Amino acid sequence: GNSVTQMEGPVTLSEEAFLTINCTYTATGYPSLFWYVQYPGEGLQLLLKATKADDKGSNKGFEATYRKETTSFHLEKGSVQVSDSAVYFCALSGAGSGGGADGLTFGKGTHLIIQP
Amino acid sequence: KAGVTQTPRYLIKTRGQQVTLSCSPISGHRSVSWYQQTPGQGLQFLFEYFSETQRNKGNFPGRFSGRQFSNSRSEMNVSTLELGDSALYLCASSLTGGVTEAFFGQGTRLTVV
Repeated sequence: GNSVTQMEGPVTLSEEAFLTINCTYTATGYPSLFWYVQYPGEGLQLLLKATKADDKGSNKGFEATYRKETTSFHLEKGSVQVSDSAVYFCALSGAGSGGGADGLTFGKGTHLIIQP
Repeated sequence: KAGVTQTPRYLIKTRGQQVTLSCSPISGHRSVSWYQQTPGQGLQFLFEYFSETQRNKGNFPGRFSGRQFSNSRSEMNVSTLELGDSALYLCASSLTGGVTEAFFGQGTRLTVV
């Protein structure tokens, strides 16, 4: 079956530091890949996505590249801010042939703490 | 445009009771999925509805059920509640499900005592 593995943290960084959160996946077929962010007490917000190999998703300074050869989708940001503190989830969808109606498969989430 | 609305936001129930949670998707979205989020298991897929039909189901017992109405609004029901059902239940809507982008509601926090 499908699975997503990501570092769980917490990951603690100083403001303006470089961020990398690793994500690797196992899937049959050709999944779409996503990063979601969850702020305290809130639901999930889509941060970025990539639907095919070598696609780069980007949003709000965050980037991730779909690497089929290494089955990875690592999240990066060049300079983090205190407001980036949240839980980040890597997810995949749509690996099957039936329209991918099997929901999103999530990693366990990475708690990111940015200190001023 | 309005986002995904889940009601109620918080709920406290007693073991053995049943509960119904509601989700109103974004206008025009026909797919609604439900997820359970717990500290131990993380986010787990419960089921997806598309055009009033359950299209797929995750690995949960039959006590968890759902339905979707003709206006795409969805309800999720849990019968014979157990302490372990305490969780944040999230609803996500998308145009057609699958690879299309999913938008999440703020969730319903269910506590079973």
